Amino acid sequence: GQQVMQIPQYQHVQEGEDFTTYCNSSTTLSNIQWYKQRPGGHPVFLIQLVKSGEVKKQKRLTFQFGEAKKNSSLHITATQTTDVGTYFCAGQETSGSRLTFGEGTQLTVNP
Amino acid sequence: SQTIHQWPATLVQPVGSPLSLECTVEGTSNPNLYWYRQAAGRGLQLLFYSVGIGQISSEVPQNLSASRPQDRQFILSSKKLLLSDSGFYLCAWRGGGNQPQHFGDGTRLSIL
Repeated sequence: GQQVMQIPQYQHVQEGEDFTTYCNSSTTLSNIQWYKQRPGGHPVFLIQLVKSGEVKKQKRLTFQFGEAKKNSSLHITATQTTDVGTYFCAGQETSGSRLTFGEGTQLTVNP
Repeated sequence: SQTIHQWPATLVQPVGSPLSLECTVEGTSNPNLYWYRQAAGRGLQLLFYSVGIGQISSEVPQNLSASRPQDRQFILSSKKLLLSDSGFYLCAWRGGGNQPQHFGDGTRLSIL
């Protein structure tokens, strides 16, 4: 079955440093979604990428979808303590099929 | 607007006791519904999903079961809890197509 692998599992950064998490699917995806889970909270949808090579930005967050639609990345510029949490990618093989979540990257930011 | 309700927020149960967690969705019809379990510091393990009333797919064999008695109600149950059932249980819903998934606030279950 479809597998979605996410690295790294953990990342510790100093406030102001950049952060990147990578997501790779074993199969070509229809779309990929990113979620953020704050400590003690539930995952919250951030963004969806659909097109090959697509790049989207949300303030300091940059999301990319690979040309082959099998990988994606989330990059945070100049991290802040509010960025702390676990970031999950989730891939969908076809429209309407269920999402397969990666294991998540747990980000801690030292002030 | 759509909302998802999940309760209770925390639960402490003895080993061998039964379990019933309920999740309801408002503001949408025929949603896809999901139950996940998350161990501390770990990823989301999909337990059950449902595409319609009475339709349940199980992802992981275990002593848990799920039911969908109404379109917007999803229930997670167990007849006898094990220590290994401890965790953070999350209910989620999603519309069709490429819609994003929306999670409830979760239930922290501790088994003593």
